Amino acid sequence: GQQLNQSPQSMFIQEGEDVSMNCTSSSIFNTWLWYKQDPGEGPVLLIALYKAGELTSNGRLTAQFGITRKDSFLNISASIPSDVGIYFCAGMNYGGSQGNLIFGKGTKLSVKP
Amino acid sequence: GAGVSQSPSNKVTEKGKDVELRCDPISGHTALYWYRQSLGQGLEFLIYFQGNSAPDKSGLPSDRFSAERTGGSVSTLTIQRTQQEDSAVYLCASSQDRTYGYTFGSGTRLTVV
Repeated sequence: GQQLNQSPQSMFIQEGEDVSMNCTSSSIFNTWLWYKQDPGEGPVLLIALYKAGELTSNGRLTAQFGITRKDSFLNISASIPSDVGIYFCAGMNYGGSQGNLIFGKGTKLSVKP
Repeated sequence: GAGVSQSPSNKVTEKGKDVELRCDPISGHTALYWYRQSLGQGLEFLIYFQGNSAPDKSGLPSDRFSAERTGGSVSTLTIQRTQQEDSAVYLCASSQDRTYGYTFGSGTRLTVV
């Protein structure tokens, strides 16, 4: 089935740093979504991308839908402590199975000790 | 309701027992999804309901797993003869339309001892 490769698996941030993570797939997706999950909670939608090449911002978050439709990245600028959590990318195809939404394994953001 | 509600939030059960997990989606959302999240893993699709259509059960890992959705609203995920490998967080999500991102509940943490 379709799979998403998300990287990095984990990273440490220092307040004020910019953060970047990405997802790649061997398959084409019609939509890319980015979610954030805090401990004990379900994932919350951050950004949705619907067109190849689309660049969308939500506050300090910026995400792009790759032109090949096989990848997406998420950038967080000037990180703050509440940015810690697990970030998931998800790809969606309208005509596929698996509920149309395939998730990456997540990028865990932690604060530098 | 205002969000997706799942109950119980935590469930500890003995190996071999049956469990039922409940999901109350957002009012008016026609699509409902169940996902499983094992420790440190991404979200694994289980089953998808859309209106009155036959559910997409392609993600159910074995015949011990079943789900139903009554009246197009509340859904129950049943796991029969639970095994230790069933221990995970079970997340429910609903959406108004397949083309939009899902809204997740906070999940049910199932522990099989």
